[in-house]
Amino acid sequence: QVQLQESGPGLVKPSQTLSLTCTVSGGSISSGGYYWSWIRQHPGKGLEWIGYIYYSGSTYYNPSLKSRVTISVDTSKNQFSLKLSSVTAADTAVYYCASLLWGFDYWGQGTLVTVSS
Amino acid sequence: QSVLTQPPSASGTPGQRVTISCSGSSSNIGSNYVYWYQQLPGTAPKLLIYRNNQRPSGVPDRFSGSKSGTSASLAISGLRSEDEADYYCAAWDDSLSGRDVVFGGGTKLTVL
Repeated sequence: QVQLQESGPGLVKPSQTLSLTCTVSGGSISSGGYYWSWIRQHPGKGLEWIGYIYYSGSTYYNPSLKSRVTISVDTSKNQFSLKLSSVTAADTAVYYCASLLWGFDYWGQGTLVTVSS
Repeated sequence: QSVLTQPPSASGTPGQRVTISCSGSSSNIGSNYVYWYQQLPGTAPKLLIYRNNQRPSGVPDRFSGSKSGTSASLAISGLRSEDEADYYCAAWDDSLSGRDVVFGGGTKLTVL
């Protein structure tokens, strides 16, 4: 059973870059088939897809965030990462990593990132 | 404003059958599969239905999905107290820039 775990700072200052890592266990990120994804949920709100990456490095981002988002993969560590630049209070949210095959079938527990000075 | 439209709330009594609707357009629901997620309070979402009407292993057959045209529905029969959760629909969207993933705004299900 694939398991995912997010890690990274819970507090980021405005205008800085939010950086999170998702560690995958119970399966290889390089095994193919899956797209490795980031999704966020603003407090008390719905889900927002951020983007995904294939193990080969191919990426696809939400057009509304594309200018600020970078998703990368480190197959040697079985991890993938999210960077969101120039953050504002509007980026305060719970960030989830998830595997995408037939839907987002495995999810991390989520990590709250607060943007505040 | 979510791309897919869901009612913000729904309710039912134990044992009842409830349905949650999800409305989209030709670029998403109309031409792609629909997925449903259940989010229990304080937890990550869980895949409930994939490819319109398929249940992952472990999901009770009380949950069923359907799609017609640019709309989809999630039905829950034999409602139980543990079904009280937020439910989200999702679909791929064939936008000008490629294939986005779009979600509905979510429906909060209350078991009375």
